[in-house]
Amino acid sequence: RKEVEQDPGPFNVPEGATVAFNCTYSNSASQSFFWYRQDCRKEPKLLMSVYSSGNEDGRFTAQLNRASQYISLLIRDSKLSDSATYLCVVTSDSGTYKYIFGTGTRLKVLA
Amino acid sequence: NAGVTQTPKFRVLKTGQSMTLLCAQDMNHEYMYWYRQDPGMGLRLIHYSVGEGTTAKGEVPDGYNVSRLKKQNFLLGLESAAPSQTSVYFCASTVRPYNEQFFGPGTRLTVL
Repeated sequence: RKEVEQDPGPFNVPEGATVAFNCTYSNSASQSFFWYRQDCRKEPKLLMSVYSSGNEDGRFTAQLNRASQYISLLIRDSKLSDSATYLCVVTSDSGTYKYIFGTGTRLKVLA
Repeated sequence: NAGVTQTPKFRVLKTGQSMTLLCAQDMNHEYMYWYRQDPGMGLRLIHYSVGEGTTAKGEVPDGYNVSRLKKQNFLLGLESAAPSQTSVYFCASTVRPYNEQFFGPGTRLTVL
């Protein structure tokens, strides 16, 4: 089983739609969780950190479920500019300082 | 602040040639990382460093060496390039463990 698993997509959605991505992780001792956005042939950039209490940033909402070991990202009112690959990132257990990346979920927002 | 920069942006090598990729950050970060990204594989950790003078192996270290002589620089070396090392290489840094990582723009390497 991969340490971090994501549905690769692509998710093709119309403008204005709501879309949700899930990511599962295998290490119950993982400490920190992130969603990164990666545009084609560019570097990953932080979209948002994910906290146990859930957090929201404008149209984006992230949730963490430690019991079931998954994190989610909800995008409301999708824009054309949201088209990108979304990477789920989980840190390893303490002492190894590593970040484990999912392979990403591709989103395409259609006009 | 420039953030994280990488040199060069593109490179084509022949099998057996050597090269060094340079990563520099001006954020005074302790932790620095080298990843490679291949289609369908996600980012895989090659080597990382938890401070000046330290290095450690990641998931795919074979064929690569690294050095962190100065806090702001993290060098990735390929001693004898192979076609399997054709990839996009990203450097990242973070101020402390488990915080957000900041990435450089990447180096696209082709080995013929």
